[in-house]
Amino acid sequence: DVKVTQSSRYLVKRTGEKVFLECVQDMDHENMFWYRQDPGLGLRLIYFSYDVKMKEKGDIPEGYSVSREKKERFSLILESASTNQTSMYLCASLGGNEKLFFGSGTQLSVL
Amino acid sequence: AQKVTQAQTEISVVEKEDVTLDCVYETRDTTYYLFWYKQPPSGELVFLIRRNSFDEQNEISGRYSWNFQKSTSSFNFTITASQVVDSAVYFCAPVRVHGSSNTGKLIFGQGTTLQVKP
Repeated sequence: DVKVTQSSRYLVKRTGEKVFLECVQDMDHENMFWYRQDPGLGLRLIYFSYDVKMKEKGDIPEGYSVSREKKERFSLILESASTNQTSMYLCASLGGNEKLFFGSGTQLSVL
Repeated sequence: AQKVTQAQTEISVVEKEDVTLDCVYETRDTTYYLFWYKQPPSGELVFLIRRNSFDEQNEISGRYSWNFQKSTSSFNFTITASQVVDSAVYFCAPVRVHGSSNTGKLIFGQGTTLQVKP
């Protein structure tokens, strides 16, 4: 089975901190994605990557950056966390037939 | 641009009832896929189904069935004889077929929270 692993299930950070959210997939997928999920807004795409060192902005990239140094790992970076970045963050990788495989999510609270 | 509307924010049913989750999408693309995903309380979204825009046959998988009507841009999902384990958030999502930069860029609806009571 495809496995997408997000390093933390819950994170609590302070405003202004630099935050790293890590995601690893074990199926050699080329495309990986970061979404955030908020009540009433569904999932919104932050960034995606279609190859090592390649990235593209999604719909809400402001305040975020990403890193893809290795194919299996896609990191989301909050350069200076703010309270409006409190959210559930979901990582996904793309398998065959356009099927997305998701991690369990990281619930980030910024105080 | 694509847009997905899941008008039902929350639905509550009693076990064994049938329930239909609505999805209406807007797209200018002529060729696309439509997806349904389930998000149980554990948080991990699980793939349920993918349909091509040019295939309007309805599909049944066990207690699940999907009705795709291209003319009305709807892709509704029905659970027959619902069970408590069906309680989850359900998301509908279209994606363009062509264009590598769009591959996998699903546009998710707001989701419908289904609660099945025993």
